[in-house]
Formats: sequence, structure tokens, C-alpha cells
Amino acid sequence: EADIYQTPRYLVIGTGKKITLECSQTMGHDKMYWYQQDPGMELHLIHYSYGVNSTEKGDLSSESTVSRIRTEHFPLTLESARPSHTSQYLCASSELTGELFFGEGSRLTVL
Amino acid sequence: ILNVEQSPQSLHVQEGDSTNFTCSFPSSNFYALHWYRWETAKSPEALFVMTLNGDEKKKGRISATLNTKEGYSYLYIKGSQPEDSATYLCAFNNNNDMRFGAGTRLTVKP
Repeated sequence: EADIYQTPRYLVIGTGKKITLECSQTMGHDKMYWYQQDPGMELHLIHYSYGVNSTEKGDLSSESTVSRIRTEHFPLTLESARPSHTSQYLCASSELTGELFFGEGSRLTVL
Repeated sequence: ILNVEQSPQSLHVQEGDSTNFTCSFPSSNFYALHWYRWETAKSPEALFVMTLNGDEKKKGRISATLNTKEGYSYLYIKGSQPEDSATYLCAFNNNNDMRFGAGTRLTVKP
């Protein structure tokens, strides 16, 4: 089984709150990713990282930010959550073959 | 813009039926094609990573083929079982980024 963990699994918060979605992997992978998925839609890449101190924006514009201070940790932060941020957020890491290892996802609801 | 399309969107079959679905992707700048299975309340898991035109891969009752020249891949499930119920995602990798299709949701009725 893949060793990549996301917390929280489910989160319901009010508009304007700051939230951080945690993602950690113990496989030593350099590449890590955040995907956003709305029901019935494809996964959209919102952030990725090639290694420590590397962060890039994905193809889907997002108001979230990420950091990569340690290889194993890739948290995603929303400074001021809005209802439009309601979605499922999936974290992944990859090895050299490109195969992605996913966490179980964080389902965010902003009221 | 990379367009990855999967069909059908959803599929309901009886236990024991064999089934297949399609992933189409751009035929230029191909690097790899991935298939993932995503069961409800779990994380997506890789089934196959395919890189060569004409590739055929098999894992138990599930197999996949790849045609990079025309830009499609088929996923086959032989003798479907209820535990095969999941969303099957394909992803096109052009060595720069990876784009996912919306998936095919398979339901296998006992």
C-alpha cells in the first residue's frame, strides 16, 4: 500500500476561515501534487512540486497556496475559504516512472 | 490544451459480464498513459502505466491496450465481479504534466 496520508478527511467550515490541508508521504518521492475534483468531473492539477523549496501552479487556477519545506510534507492552505472552494482535494506523489500514489483525499465544504 | 476523454461516463453490468471502456487522448507528445481504479472512500490506485504503441498489459481479469498513433486506450474487464465496482480513470502524461479524464463509473450488480 502507498504511504501517503491526508488530513483532515472531511472538513466543514464557515466562509472566511483559514484552513490547511495536510499531506505527508514516507516514500521519499521528490514529486508531489495537489488535485481538485468536483463531482463527476476530471481531476484538475492545482499545485505541484519537484522537490524541497519547489512549488508550481497547475493548470487550474486556485486561490490556495502550498509550501514544500520538507520532502515528505506538502500542505495546502486557503487563507480565506469561500463556498466556491467546496470540493475534494487529492494529494499525490510520484516515483520516476510517473505512477502516482494518492492519498485518500480531503473533502472540504465551505458554508 | 490536452483533452482526455473517457467513455462511457457510467456503466452498469451484471456479475459475470465482460466489459470495456475507452480513453482517448492527444496523439502528439505522448510519454505515457496511466489507468487508475478509484473505489469509493479509498484513494485511486494505479492499474497500468503504458508507454509503447501496441502495449498490452494484464493484471488478473483486467487488461489494457494502447494505440499511441490514433490516441486511444481500451480497458477490458473479463467476468466482472461486484468488487470491480469503481471509477476507472485514465491519465495522459506528456512528460510535462498529467491530464486526467473524468472517469468511467462501473457498477457490477450481483
